[in-house]
This record gives sequence, C-alpha cells and structure tokens, in this order.
Amino acid sequence: GENVEQHPSTLSVQEGDSAVIKCTYSDSASNYFPWYKQELGKGPQLIIDIRSNVGEKKDQRIAVTLNKTAKHFSLHITETQPEDSAVYFCAAKGRQGAQKLVFGQGTRLTINP
Amino acid sequence: GAGVSQSPSNKVTEKGKDVELRCDPISGHTALYWYRQSLGQGLEFLIYFQGNSAPDKSGLPSDRFSAERTGGSVSTLTIQRTQQEDSAVYLCASSSLGRSSGANVLTFGAGSRLTVL
Repeated sequence: GENVEQHPSTLSVQEGDSAVIKCTYSDSASNYFPWYKQELGKGPQLIIDIRSNVGEKKDQRIAVTLNKTAKHFSLHITETQPEDSAVYFCAAKGRQGAQKLVFGQGTRLTINP
Repeated sequence: GAGVSQSPSNKVTEKGKDVELRCDPISGHTALYWYRQSLGQGLEFLIYFQGNSAPDKSGLPSDRFSAERTGGSVSTLTIQRTQQEDSAVYLCASSSLGRSSGANVLTFGAGSRLTVL
C-alpha cells in the first residue's frame, strides 16, 4: 500500500522567512496530494491540494510543488507569520478505488517573532 | 450542522473497559473516515464508510476495534477491553466527492481524546 514520509518533524523559522516541508510517497498511481494544517486542540484543516496533472499550485503565501518522477511533493510558505505556527500534514491518495488518504507523520512549524 | 461533530471531546477510562466514540458528519456527506492520532505521530487510518458500500476496515488494529454507521449518517467507533496503547486522539472526517474525479476533501472534527489508565 501507499507509504508517505514527511520531513522535517520540527521546523523553526523567523517571522518573515520562508518554510519548506517535504514529502515522498511510494505508490506511483497516487493522484491527489493535499496538505492539512492542525492547530492546537482542533482537527486538521485542508489548506491546499494538488492533483497529479499539474506540477505547481499557489494560493497567496502558500504553494505546493509536485515531482511525479521522483514521487515527492513540497509545501512552501513565504513571508511566514506567527499564525502559521501549527502542525502540518501531507497526504497522498492512491489509485482509483482506494479512497483513503495516507498521511505523513506531521511537521511542527514554529514561527519565531 | 456546520461541521463534523465528535463526542465526547475527552474520555478517561480504566484498562479493560469498553468505550464508544461518536461522530456526526456534515449533512449530505456520503463518506466518513476514522483516523487515530497518537502523541507526536501522524494520522493513522482506521476505517472508511462510503454510502451503502461495504466499509474499508483495513486499518483497524485489532478485533477489539469496530465501527458502524447507522442510516448513512452518524458513526460510532467502539473499542472493547481498552488497553493503555489505545490512548490517542480519535479523529472523524467526512467528505463528498470533489469537483474532479478521484478527489475527496476531508473535513475533520476536533477529535475525541481517549486516555486509558
């Protein structure tokens, strides 16, 4: 089955700097790659997603890139702000018919003011 | 309701007791998922329900775990004879089909934190 690896497990950056979180997946048939943000005491919330027919997607300060050949995808947050501090999870959805999302281990991002 | 509702938010139980965790999905969402989040760990898939299809139970860690979804809406996750290693946050999510084929956007509840003493 699908396996998703996420790095780093913790990341600390200065406010205003950029943050990058990377994930790799094992199933070459995976076609959907969302990123979720989990704030303390809350459930994860979708912040951005990308499908396998595109290589990059951007939404304001957040962007995601996908390299299907290498089977990795990354989350980029620019001009970081204190409210970006949270745990971020990447995920992959496998081949058609496999409806479950497989999540990475999570990255705890801390933005230092 | 506006979001996915889970209850109880916190549950402390003694080893060996049974517990039931409840999930109310977003109205109209046909898919419902249970995930487990242990301290410092990622989200571990447990079970998935889609409409009237047979559930995908491939993530249930043992036969002490079971789940049902009544009337295509509310779901209950039951853990029998709880063990200390069952301590975790149990997250429920629901979804409807996305705009593109194969995409499901999950909306999560806040979770039920289970502590087994």
